[in-house]
Amino acid sequence: ETGVTQTPRHLVMGMTNKKSLKCEQHLGHNAMYWYKQSAKKPLELMFVYSLEERVENNSVPSRFSPECPNSSHLFLHLHTLQPEDSALYLCASSQGTGGINEQFFGPGTRLTVL
Amino acid sequence: SQQGEEDPQALSIQEGENATMNCSYKTSINNLQWYRQNSGRGLVHLILIRSNEREKHSGRLRVTLDTSKKSSSLLITASRAADTASYFCAPTGANNLFFGTGTRLTVIP
Repeated sequence: ETGVTQTPRHLVMGMTNKKSLKCEQHLGHNAMYWYKQSAKKPLELMFVYSLEERVENNSVPSRFSPECPNSSHLFLHLHTLQPEDSALYLCASSQGTGGINEQFFGPGTRLTVL
Repeated sequence: SQQGEEDPQALSIQEGENATMNCSYKTSINNLQWYRQNSGRGLVHLILIRSNEREKHSGRLRVTLDTSKKSSSLLITASRAADTASYFCAPTGANNLFFGTGTRLTVIP
């Protein structure tokens, strides 16, 4: 898990707070992803960045705002979240975005919205 | 959708037994990957099988793919307590992986 790190590991926030999730990959990859994992639901792809450009945004509410300042770092800025946004947020990276590529995941941030 | 659907949702076996998990999907795929997730952690890649392959092995893992039936299976032989985890299949399109809800495997020592 040291290849992809995520901070914080746990986060509790109120609906009016603003917080950010951070992801860093040490693998030299050029693609990074944000996923949302809720109980009993399929893993949901939120955002894809390739070479620091956003290439996919799967109809994610605007209260989630991604940022990719360079190929090693990915942020997810959160504001005015809802309780249903409580979930495990996973970051992943890969070399290229093709389906042939293995994705390497971080340990996740467990988010609770009160 | 291209999402994988794993079956069963949960499986409990004794240590030393074999565990078989199945995956079905609805559309054409390029490849199919299997991942494992320990409770509350990130996913770890296990194996990738290409659409023109029928079977692949990696250690105690055996994966099959039947594109005519749009299905795949993951067999873990001689299971160990440490194999307890959730297992996900991810049919892959041109760019992305499409994960399902997973099979929760419990191996009882």
